[in-house]
Amino acid sequence: QKEVEQNSGPLSVPEGAIASLNCTYSDRGSQSFFWYRQYSGKSPELIMSIYSNGDKEDGRFTAQLNKASQYVSLLIRDSQPSDSATYLCASQPANGNQFYFGTGTSLTVIP
Amino acid sequence: GAVVSQHPSWVICKSGTSVKIECRSLDFQATTMFWYRQFPKQSLMLMATSNEGSKATYEQGVEKDKFLINHASLTLSTLTVTSAHPEDSSFYICSAREEGLGETQYFGPGTRLLVL
Repeated sequence: QKEVEQNSGPLSVPEGAIASLNCTYSDRGSQSFFWYRQYSGKSPELIMSIYSNGDKEDGRFTAQLNKASQYVSLLIRDSQPSDSATYLCASQPANGNQFYFGTGTSLTVIP
Repeated sequence: GAVVSQHPSWVICKSGTSVKIECRSLDFQATTMFWYRQFPKQSLMLMATSNEGSKATYEQGVEKDKFLINHASLTLSTLTVTSAHPEDSSFYICSAREEGLGETQYFGPGTRLLVL
């Protein structure tokens, strides 16, 4: 079983809609979770980090964490074509430095 | 803040040569840096964790004698691909963790290596 699992997609949403990206993790002891965006041919860039249960909002992005269900999600409101990218979910185990990355979800926002 | 640079951004070399890639944290100190490799249409694969002043920790299946990592200072880690072969062609990305400000990793722009 992979540490972090994501639906690879592709996920397509119309411009202006809400895009919902989901991620599950297997290490119940993980405390830190991250969402990165990766455009084709580029390196990942951090969107948000989340450490506590509940929602965390930053502009059009909302990260949600449910540790009981071992579930992390990212909502993108008012999706724009420029949001089209691969979104990577990452967790950090409680006893390690490294991140475990999911395989990424490809999002396409259709104008 | 939290800018990570990599050099070079592109490398084309002949099979059998060695290639050095530099990763620098420009505006913060990074005790820990990470090296990843990414093949087309695939996710990031962690190669090794680099700690300043000590030996790197390699992931299973990564040859430490082929991928030499040196983390000589709090702002610089280098990855040397020794005796590169075409199958080493990939996108190499480093990341650095900013000490004292949480666990977030910030990624460099990556280095594309093409071995002919």
